[in-house]
Amino acid sequence: AQSVTQPDIHITVSEGASLELRCNYSYGATPYLFWYVQSPGQGLQLLLKYFSGDTLVQGIKGFEAEFKRSQSSFNLRKPSVHWSDAAEYFCAVGRPMEYGNKLVFGAGTILRVKS
Amino acid sequence: DTEVTQTPKHLVMGMTNKKSLKCEQHMGHRAMYWYKQKAKKPPELMFVYSYEKLSINESVPSRFSPECPNSSLLNLHLHALQPEDSALYLCASSLGVGQPQHFGDGTRLSIL
Repeated sequence: AQSVTQPDIHITVSEGASLELRCNYSYGATPYLFWYVQSPGQGLQLLLKYFSGDTLVQGIKGFEAEFKRSQSSFNLRKPSVHWSDAAEYFCAVGRPMEYGNKLVFGAGTILRVKS
Repeated sequence: DTEVTQTPKHLVMGMTNKKSLKCEQHMGHRAMYWYKQKAKKPPELMFVYSYEKLSINESVPSRFSPECPNSSLLNLHLHALQPEDSALYLCASSLGVGQPQHFGDGTRLSIL
């Protein structure tokens, strides 16, 4: 069965500092991996996705993620954090189905940005 | 701006009321999803419609009744809900195999 672990429940970084959010997954085949961001009271916005190919994936808002099969990881990074990045971040692994994919989410990491 | 539109944004209802949540997308996606999200938790899948047919029901109580009248529209009919059903209800859609899901902003539901 597929599963996702986000080891950090909360992370606080200073504005302008770099960021790395950790994500480890368990899946029997080549995974479809996603990072979503959720601001308070809003839905989930897709930051980036990995299906295959280049293991370094670029996303929106200056985010990137690196797929490491040997470590079963898909960590999210940003070189310089802005105050508007404060939100909750969810990593998800998708099992492809005929209609799309069935997502399993990690528990989420809440990012706080201090000025 | 989200491409998946959910209405209403907020809903307060009593345990004996009947109400409906609505979700609409015009991206040509053929799969649509309902999720329930409690505070400080990730979304939990409730239902999936594929090509307007119910594909997945994750053992959701019958007081939640989904409906997909056409490929752009998804409804969730609510009846005799319990206080523990208070949550954010999210709709999503996706284009095809392995493709990412696009989420709406959700309906915040409160049961009195």
